[in-house]
Amino acid sequence: DAGVIQSPRHEVTEMGQEVTLRCKPISGHNSLFWYRQTMMRGLELLIYFNNNVPIDDSGMPEDRFSAKMPNASFSTLKIQPSEPRDSAVYFCASSRSYEQYFGPGTRLTVT
Amino acid sequence: RKEVEQDPGPFNVPEGATVAFNCTYSNSASQSFFWYRQDCRKEPKLLMSVYSSGNEDGRFTAQLNRASQYISLLIRDSKLSDSATYLCVVNADYKLSFGAGTTVTVRA
Repeated sequence: DAGVIQSPRHEVTEMGQEVTLRCKPISGHNSLFWYRQTMMRGLELLIYFNNNVPIDDSGMPEDRFSAKMPNASFSTLKIQPSEPRDSAVYFCASSRSYEQYFGPGTRLTVT
Repeated sequence: RKEVEQDPGPFNVPEGATVAFNCTYSNSASQSFFWYRQDCRKEPKLLMSVYSSGNEDGRFTAQLNRASQYISLLIRDSKLSDSATYLCVVNADYKLSFGAGTTVTVRA
């Protein structure tokens, strides 16, 4: 069974540009999570979806960040406009119980 | 106060040694507990769940003390491949709270 799939794996962009990160959860999992990891702040939960519905977006840093889950097999995290402080690794995780399984992450660098 | 506190280490141990470390959590309503492993520049991977009665998975033993809000992990007969950062993870409802991680380096 394929794990969580994320794309792109690496993204380098200039400040002010729009960035879209993509995630395909594990088939049959009904919960999806977006995290951000930095050296300074560790792993932070950005948003949580259950059955494609956003349940908790309190971790989304500001209005520049938005996330969607149009169906059970796809989610996007968009940053517009991007800023250098958004540079981090963004992980998507999925679950069907308490255990979460992480994708390989997208390493974002904003210059 | 952080929700999950861990000793960052690093713990540098020779191959074959036993290494143990722990974490504490602040939310007494936490329902489930895990250890994740994260290798450099990789995603966190579930190592094991932690049950109230304590549990083993091969060379790994996890313990939970709900009264003290304390979780531990012990690695026996450590291997070079055990070198990683170990994340203590606590679940309250759907939300996982991650510790900052304990770095373990096993040397030959």
